[in-house]
Amino acid sequence: DAKTTQPPSMDCAEGRAANLPCNHSTISGNEYVYWYRQIHSQGPQYIIHGLKNNETNEMASLIITEDRKSSTLILPHATLRDTAVYYCIVRQNNNDMRFGAGTRLTVKP
Amino acid sequence: DTAVSQTPKYLVTQMGNDKSIKCEQNLGHDTMYWYKQDSKKFLKIMFSYNNKELIINETVPNRFSPKSPDKAHLNLHINSLELGDSAVYFCASSRPGRTGELFFGEGSRLTVL
Repeated sequence: DAKTTQPPSMDCAEGRAANLPCNHSTISGNEYVYWYRQIHSQGPQYIIHGLKNNETNEMASLIITEDRKSSTLILPHATLRDTAVYYCIVRQNNNDMRFGAGTRLTVKP
Repeated sequence: DTAVSQTPKYLVTQMGNDKSIKCEQNLGHDTMYWYKQDSKKFLKIMFSYNNKELIINETVPNRFSPKSPDKAHLNLHINSLELGDSAVYFCASSRPGRTGELFFGEGSRLTVL
């Protein structure tokens, strides 16, 4: 089972930052935090991952707390096309990526 | 070029039939996966292969048999289909190591009547 807890749904206004929280209080020292999203019924899409440092790429930023027990995915300027289910995953080992229920983000005009 | 491709995208069949879903990746990845997403939208890992070797085999009925003829292909064969097998099946691949992200196919929607 997934080792993360996320709110089931969130809304965000178009053009504003979307901040999606994730709790992973039982994370181990060598486990990475991954974020994916699934738009409608498409295949999940990788967004970003990190170990302990904050990370940024062209899609999003990932903020990991110092104790690593939680993280926040930030979409700096949400658009309608960012409406999706966002999954926060703690990667258990090389080949094991388990998805939870995720957060359904709705970006509203 | 599609990185991870699955065929067929849609499959409608009768209970009791045997069917296969094929998956191919052209990313040069060593690890491939099958996930099942049911009507409640939970995405569950079923199998993982690394270089043609089975690594993860979740509690899946043995009617489901993955086959990896080479590291670029991971096919899913399902025997004696049941109504509860109706779902979207996603294939994925990744580089080895804990930092290799998964690349997913577009999914194969299986409907068992």
